[in-house]
Amino acid sequence: EIVLTQSPGTLSLSPGERATLSCRASQSVSNIYLAWYQQKPGQAPRLLIYGTSARATGIPDRFSGSGSGTDYSLTISRLEPEDSAMYYCQQFLTSLVTFGGGTKVEIK
Amino acid sequence: QVQLQESGPGLVKPSETLSLTCTVSGGSVSDYYLNWIRQPAGKGLEWIGRTYIRGTTDYNPSLQSRVIMSIDTTKNQLSLRLSSVTAADTAIYYCARAGATGREFDVWGQGNLVTVSS
Repeated sequence: EIVLTQSPGTLSLSPGERATLSCRASQSVSNIYLAWYQQKPGQAPRLLIYGTSARATGIPDRFSGSGSGTDYSLTISRLEPEDSAMYYCQQFLTSLVTFGGGTKVEIK
Repeated sequence: QVQLQESGPGLVKPSETLSLTCTVSGGSVSDYYLNWIRQPAGKGLEWIGRTYIRGTTDYNPSLQSRVIMSIDTTKNQLSLRLSSVTAADTAIYYCARAGATGREFDVWGQGNLVTVSS
């Protein structure tokens, strides 16, 4: 089983700042199988990024994904108040899906 | 567009079987890999498994001995059965559709809270 470790646990930034969230895999993951989700309280997760760097439908271009091998990141280039949420990375390899533990983004 | 709606009892007794249904609207249950994912309160996401009418069914090895997923094409529904439940199975249960690569989840239901308690 591939374990995904997300860091930091919490990120507290001001509107307009840049947020970089990290997701490290315990073994190499194929690029096409790494995704990112945003989840707000009381809501289901929303797909942001799939295939490491492809934005899902309707996702603003301030969200971007990158990485390869075992190290991946989600960048929010200019934080807006509505970006306050939990963010999860997810991988799919050999018919087993795992999620990271999440990073909480707080807007000051 | 495709929408998913979970339904089922909100309370299940320990050692009994949890049964949930996910109804697909705006599309056919036969056209996608459909997944169950759960989330205990205040915690992260756990994938339960996936199924596809024209393909295989895969389960999380940690739950495989207790899980059955199936599709009813006449009702356009996905179902989940989880047997021998304990308090550790208390969670919000989501159904989700696999997206473009088949490995991410692009459409989610709103979730169904299931509490395991006597």
